[in-house]
Amino acid sequence: QVQLVESGGGVVQPGRSLRLSCAASGFTFSTYGMHWVRQAPGKGLEWVAVIWSDGNNKFYSDSVKGRFTVSRDNSKNTLDLQMNSLGAEDTAIYYCARETGPYNGFDVWGQGTMVTVSS
Amino acid sequence: QSALTQPPSASGSPGQSVTISCTGTSSDVGGYNYVSWYQQYPGKAPKLMICEVTKRPSGVPDRFSGSKSGNTASLTVSGLQAEDEADYYCSSYAGSNNWVFGGGTKLTVL
Repeated sequence: QVQLVESGGGVVQPGRSLRLSCAASGFTFSTYGMHWVRQAPGKGLEWVAVIWSDGNNKFYSDSVKGRFTVSRDNSKNTLDLQMNSLGAEDTAIYYCARETGPYNGFDVWGQGTMVTVSS
Repeated sequence: QSALTQPPSASGSPGQSVTISCTGTSSDVGGYNYVSWYQQYPGKAPKLMICEVTKRPSGVPDRFSGSKSGNTASLTVSGLQAEDEADYYCSSYAGSNNWVFGGGTKLTVL
């Protein structure tokens, strides 16, 4: 079945880095734009980043621009998020999500992986 | 990239209808027909309920409907059922490959 599974979350000290991964299965990964969305504890959803299906175009929210890098490997059906210079404000559940179509909503979500930035 | 504005809470009795609003600007909700709505239960991932303002993905009950007028989108849940109690989030494409979410609305079935 169509599935996204995130991994890589954990506890990290402020200023350090962490890399999240998202494994896709059950659909033709290379034909979909993919996003990262996060949710701080007890808070709402926040869009983080998008990477187009071919991996050649990447865009970020202002809050992570310059610190986070999204990438994908269409041969391995994987999506990654490299997070540098982490701060307490980055503490959240990170979800990967599939875009239904260009500029459209997100129809498939992973279960999320928790990132806690704390000393 | 300001968040879309949703009421923090909404409620209704079983069988009633409830409408949740989502207010943005002409740069997001008002400028594109790419408004989506998500249902989220505690501890679970969001689920797409409405896309492109009015479209229901396969499997979503037709009790859920979406609309838009100007810079405000709305989600209406008709014939409320106990299982509709959840958090609901709107989202909109905001141009230049940016997306924005609303702050979320907690729907309570009385």
